[in-house]
Amino acid sequence: QQPVQSPQAVILREGEDAVINCSSSKALYSVHWYRQKHGEAPVFLMILLKGGEQKGHDKISASFNEKKQQSSLYLTASQLSYSGTYFCGTRTTSGTYKYIFGTGTRLKVLA
Amino acid sequence: SAVISQKPSRDICQRGTSLTIQCQVDSQVTMMFWYRQQPGQSLTLIATANQGSEATYESGFVIDKFPISRPNLTFSTLTVSNMSPEDSSIYLCSVGQGLGTEAFFGQGTRLTVV
Repeated sequence: QQPVQSPQAVILREGEDAVINCSSSKALYSVHWYRQKHGEAPVFLMILLKGGEQKGHDKISASFNEKKQQSSLYLTASQLSYSGTYFCGTRTTSGTYKYIFGTGTRLKVLA
Repeated sequence: SAVISQKPSRDICQRGTSLTIQCQVDSQVTMMFWYRQQPGQSLTLIATANQGSEATYESGFVIDKFPISRPNLTFSTLTVSNMSPEDSSIYLCSVGQGLGTEAFFGQGTRLTVV
């Protein structure tokens, strides 16, 4: 079953913060986060492997709560370049490497 | 990082015909996947391309409609057979080296069936 992301869409002003959530109905083994700009391929942002793990680089970070079967992506001091659609990709089966993508969150940053 | 060349980038096809999409990677990769993305929608996994064996298909996708080949660790093809307008979509290949590694996407093939 497809993970559900919230919010579906968000509009920010430059410098504002945002949180994108990804919730799964199945146990999660790992989570990928991607950003896709219109007409382009998804670009890998980060992977979280362990429950409770938190990772980040620059002003984008993420957390993974294994117990709650959730992951969150944190965007701080947003820039115009952050605009795009964000997807989580979840691995819910221990025996395979395949990822199922979430419903997506459209983010637009305004000047 | 892996560089993926996906061809064709776009095509317009007549209903009832077939189109084969190629995915070439510049290095050997463990995992290769094929996804479909309808405009404004998320990515739906079609199948996992297994090297030297039959692909593993997701629910709702069958080999007769989407035959996949993967003759080696750097190349795979996806064929969309007996196309109908409902097959109009973007098809993407994705590669990875397994657990704990990055995953990369090709630029996609935008297919329009008329």
